[in-house]
Amino acid sequence: KAGVTQTPRYLIKTRGQQVTLSCSPISGHRSVSWYQQTPGQGLQFLFEYFSETQRNKGNFPGRFSGRQFSNSRSEMNVSTLELGDSALYLCASSLAGGRTEAFFGQGTRLTVV
Amino acid sequence: KNQVEQSPQSLIILEGKNCTLQCNYTVSPFSNLRWYKQDTGRGPVSLTIMTFSENTKSNGRYTATLDADTKQSSLHITASQLSDSASYICVVSALNNQGGKLIFGQGTELSVKP
Repeated sequence: KAGVTQTPRYLIKTRGQQVTLSCSPISGHRSVSWYQQTPGQGLQFLFEYFSETQRNKGNFPGRFSGRQFSNSRSEMNVSTLELGDSALYLCASSLAGGRTEAFFGQGTRLTVV
Repeated sequence: KNQVEQSPQSLIILEGKNCTLQCNYTVSPFSNLRWYKQDTGRGPVSLTIMTFSENTKSNGRYTATLDADTKQSSLHITASQLSDSASYICVVSALNNQGGKLIFGQGTELSVKP
C-alpha cells in the first residue's frame, strides 16, 4: 500500500513569489491535513480538508490556502512568499480526520530567499 | 486552552540504556493520544495511539502509558539504539464537531550516543 506522497521534496523560491505544494494521500483516506514545521515553532496546523471541504483551520494568514480534489489529492498554495515561510511543510492523511490515525508524508522543504 | 507539553526538551543517553519521555496535556474533550517519532528532515511516523480506556501500549522497544485522570503520558524506550536518535512528538486528538483536531507537543529531541 503506497504511503503519503508529497511533491516536490525541495523547493527554493524568491520573496514575493507564490508556490504550490502537492499531497497524494493513502488510497481510501478522505482527510488531508497540512502542517508547517520550523525549528523554533514545532509543528503548526494549517488546515484540514475532508471530502473536498475545508473542515478545520489553524491560525495562519490568508496567504496560505489549500484545496482538495475529488480523488482526495490536496494542494497547498502560499502567495507573496516571505522569508519566514521557509519551513518543512508536511501533509498527513487519515481515514476520517482527527480521531483516526494520521500518516505523514516526507514533507516539502521550502526555502525562501 | 488546549495544550500539550513535553519534557525534557532534549535528552542524551548512552546506547543500551533506557529512557522515559513525558507528556502532559490539557486537552478537552479528549479523543486519543499518539506518540510519533520523527527523524531529521523526514515526516513523523506513528509509534502508538491510545484511547481514554487504554493505559499502556507497546510497539517493540517502545512502551507508552496513559493516565487519563492526571492527563499524563510517558514513552519508555528500552535498550536504546543509535537509530532511536530522533524527535519524539506527543500528539493529543481533541474532539470537535469537525472530525477532531490534533494538538502537538514541541517534541523531545533524543540523542543516543555510542
